[in-house]
Amino acid sequence: GESVGLHLPTLSVQEGDNSIINCAYSNSASDYFIWYKQESGKGPQFIIDIRSNMDKRQGQRVTVLLNKTVKHLSLQIAATQPGDSAVYFCAESHDPLVFGKGTRLSVIA
Amino acid sequence: KAGVTQTPRYLIKTRGQQVTLSCSPISGHRSVSWYQQTPGQGLQFLFEYFSETQRNKGNFPGRFSGRQFSNSRSEMNVSTLELGDSALYLCASSLLPSSDTQYFGPGTRLTVL
Repeated sequence: GESVGLHLPTLSVQEGDNSIINCAYSNSASDYFIWYKQESGKGPQFIIDIRSNMDKRQGQRVTVLLNKTVKHLSLQIAATQPGDSAVYFCAESHDPLVFGKGTRLSVIA
Repeated sequence: KAGVTQTPRYLIKTRGQQVTLSCSPISGHRSVSWYQQTPGQGLQFLFEYFSETQRNKGNFPGRFSGRQFSNSRSEMNVSTLELGDSALYLCASSLLPSSDTQYFGPGTRLTVL
């Protein structure tokens, strides 16, 4: 079946460094992807999205890259801060949305 | 603009009981989706409602049901609770159904004893 997965379940990054969180998707027909951030005790929070007609999209300190050739999505966080510590999910536009398992980002001060 | 609200935030029930969870979407949003989140299974889709109609349903038993009211508020009900139903239940709203960006509420933490 179609699925959205994550390459790494956990990621530890030094404060100030850049973080890269990866996601693989399997449905080549998917045309919309979303990244969410979930902090402990809270619901997932929308970070950034990208449509399949784009390769890159930038937000505030975050960049999402889409490689349709290898069906790969990544979230880059610049100058990672302690407040970035959370679980990050990618979601693939399906009907309904399909979520990956999540990557836990830990920021080391 | 107020975000998605869910009530109650925490619930403790015993096996065999039933429970009703409530979700108020962002003003103007007509689509509401429900998810179950557990450490082992991640985010699993339960169902989606749009304009008071169920559009999609996930792979959950019939004990899980939901509805949506004319003001877009939604409720989900779980009957005959089982220990495995312990989870965080998340509601998300969007302007349009399915592929549109969904905005999540804080969730309801259900513990079944």
